[in-house]
Amino acid sequence: QQQVKQSPQSLIVQKGGISIINCAYENTAFDYFPWYQQFPGKGPALLIAIRPDVSEKKEGRFTISFNKSAKQFSLHIMDSQPGDSATYFCAAISDSNYQLIWGAGTKLIIKP
Amino acid sequence: DGGITQSPKYLFRKEGQNVTLSCEQNLNHDAMYWYRQDPGQGLRLIYYSQIVNDFQKGDIAEGYSVSREKKESFPLTVTSAQKNPTAFYLCASSSAGTGTYEQYFGPGTRLTVT
Repeated sequence: QQQVKQSPQSLIVQKGGISIINCAYENTAFDYFPWYQQFPGKGPALLIAIRPDVSEKKEGRFTISFNKSAKQFSLHIMDSQPGDSATYFCAAISDSNYQLIWGAGTKLIIKP
Repeated sequence: DGGITQSPKYLFRKEGQNVTLSCEQNLNHDAMYWYRQDPGQGLRLIYYSQIVNDFQKGDIAEGYSVSREKKESFPLTVTSAQKNPTAFYLCASSSAGTGTYEQYFGPGTRLTVT
């Protein structure tokens, strides 16, 4: 019930294309869903986050789509650029504790 | 500059030796965390602390120990009891208040034990 399942494990997208990474969860107590971006040899950094009271949040080329009934959320990267090549992690947390539950990560490669 | 510092960036130890990884933050955050990351894998929680002088085990605490004597510092000791200590270790911190969940990460320490 505490798991967050992330797919795909790896993704190759042409420059200018749309990258889509999906996550699913079971625990309905989760109320905050962040996405983190990690470059090789660095710590992850928060990219964008959403709460379940909205179905979509957009920041620049990055959009989270949230489907509360299906318990799924996804990250869309529009006009993908080589600089977006990184590992992306989805996560979830509930108000009752401070422990982020992490997805397994998606290694994204944008081909020039 | 506000942030989290981890030192050293690379650490090499012989098997059977204990080693302590440093983590310091000047963000005035109450909560601090230690994660382990293995190649091509996600983050696994080792220990976390929500307040000074208190900490809880995460999913993979065996073979590790921590202390939280100061708000700014949360050192992690990898003991000789840890079977596979070679990994990338990440420290993070966050505000402990409701609704402020963002975790800020340090640059990590890559530990190699031979």
